[in-house]
Amino acid sequence: EPEVTQTPSHQVTQMGQEVILRCVPISNHLYFYWYRQILGQKVEFLVSFYNNEISEKSEIFDDQFSVERPDGSNFTLKIRSTKLEDSAMYFCASSMGDSLDQPQHFGDGTRLSIL
Amino acid sequence: GNSVTQMEGPVTLSEEAFLTINCTYTATGYPSLFWYVQYPGEGLQLLLKATKADDKGSNKGFEATYRKETTSFHLEKGSVQVSDSAVYFCALSDRDTGRRALTFGSGTRLQVQP
Repeated sequence: EPEVTQTPSHQVTQMGQEVILRCVPISNHLYFYWYRQILGQKVEFLVSFYNNEISEKSEIFDDQFSVERPDGSNFTLKIRSTKLEDSAMYFCASSMGDSLDQPQHFGDGTRLSIL
Repeated sequence: GNSVTQMEGPVTLSEEAFLTINCTYTATGYPSLFWYVQYPGEGLQLLLKATKADDKGSNKGFEATYRKETTSFHLEKGSVQVSDSAVYFCALSDRDTGRRALTFGSGTRLQVQP
């Protein structure tokens, strides 16, 4: 069964550095998402992306964050200048998008640790 | 705004016991409802879904019924196995607004003992 893949599985970065998290969504999916889960807290929506532009974003997704689909397969989340509070598990997801009831398929996540 | 409330965990059961994990929601519109499961070291996997009132989602012996009158979507399984040990997340998407962002509950950890 096709799946969403994320790399790396664990990223350790110094505070203030830029970090890029990478995702390969399922190939025929049209919508792409990033969520994060701070340790011990809820999974929170960050952003969704469709047709090469952001379709929704939450208040968490401020100017420090950006997303890109640099080619036909990858979908990236960039954090420009990391803060300690960015430490979390980041999940990428994708969905077919032809219906709002289509489920989102998640990757295994990237654990981001900011030192 | 939208929110999902789940029962606190961990829930500890013996193998073959009956499982209920409560989930209630508040939504401005008419949401679609989902249960996701997260096994240790893995991502979120869709377990089941329901998109309208009185729909029952089911998968792998798990069931949940969309109850609009009580705004609930409780997860049940008649006989749990050790392999069901995981964290279970209830979630909704707000179809009325056309938003695809999922709103998650806090998750409930299930531990099944042999």
